[in-house]
Amino acid sequence: KQEVTQIPAALSVPEGENLVLNCSFTDSAIYNLQWFRQDPGKGLTSLLLIQSSQREQTSGRLNASLDKSSGRSTLYIAASQPGDSATYLCADSDSWGKLQFGAGTQVVVTP
Amino acid sequence: NAGVTQTPKFQVLKTGQSMTLQCAQDMNHEYMSWYRQDPGMGLRLIHYSVGAGITDQGEVPNGYNVSRSTTEDFPLRLLSAAPSQTSVYFCASSRYRGAGANVLTFGAGSRLTVL
Repeated sequence: KQEVTQIPAALSVPEGENLVLNCSFTDSAIYNLQWFRQDPGKGLTSLLLIQSSQREQTSGRLNASLDKSSGRSTLYIAASQPGDSATYLCADSDSWGKLQFGAGTQVVVTP
Repeated sequence: NAGVTQTPKFQVLKTGQSMTLQCAQDMNHEYMSWYRQDPGMGLRLIHYSVGAGITDQGEVPNGYNVSRSTTEDFPLRLLSAAPSQTSVYFCASSRYRGAGANVLTFGAGSRLTVL
């Protein structure tokens, strides 16, 4: 059974610093890996999806990498802003679209 | 606005009561799913569907029923509510094939408390 882990559970950074969020998974036979953002009391918003054949995806200040051999994905957020404060979740997907989520990393960006 | 609509947003039940959480999407997505989110445990898949008339169990299906009679709707039924079902429930949908496949769109969530 696939297990997805996100460490740390929470972190705080000053505004302007780059954010590095980690996601590890036990089974390298993933179909794709997604990163989501969740604001308090809200649903999840998909940020980036990396297909298993890809090494990275980029969208604006966000960059996500995927290393299946080591079972790791990393989300980089450049030049963090207070508006980036949220919980970030990663999830791997099988070919049926079933997602296995990590517990998330709660990020606070202080002005 | 197009998206996933969940109702109700909040519900309090007594143990043993039944209820249905509604989920509707207007994006013609084939794939729909229900997750529950508990503190420190991320989201866990309850049931999912890849099209009308097709449903299957996820990781934590016990105590829940689903049906998919139309592409748009995917209700989640709690048969006999238990305190362990106190949680936040999310419905999500996506295309199943082609461009945008597997990119989930989530509803805003339904917070359920069972006393």
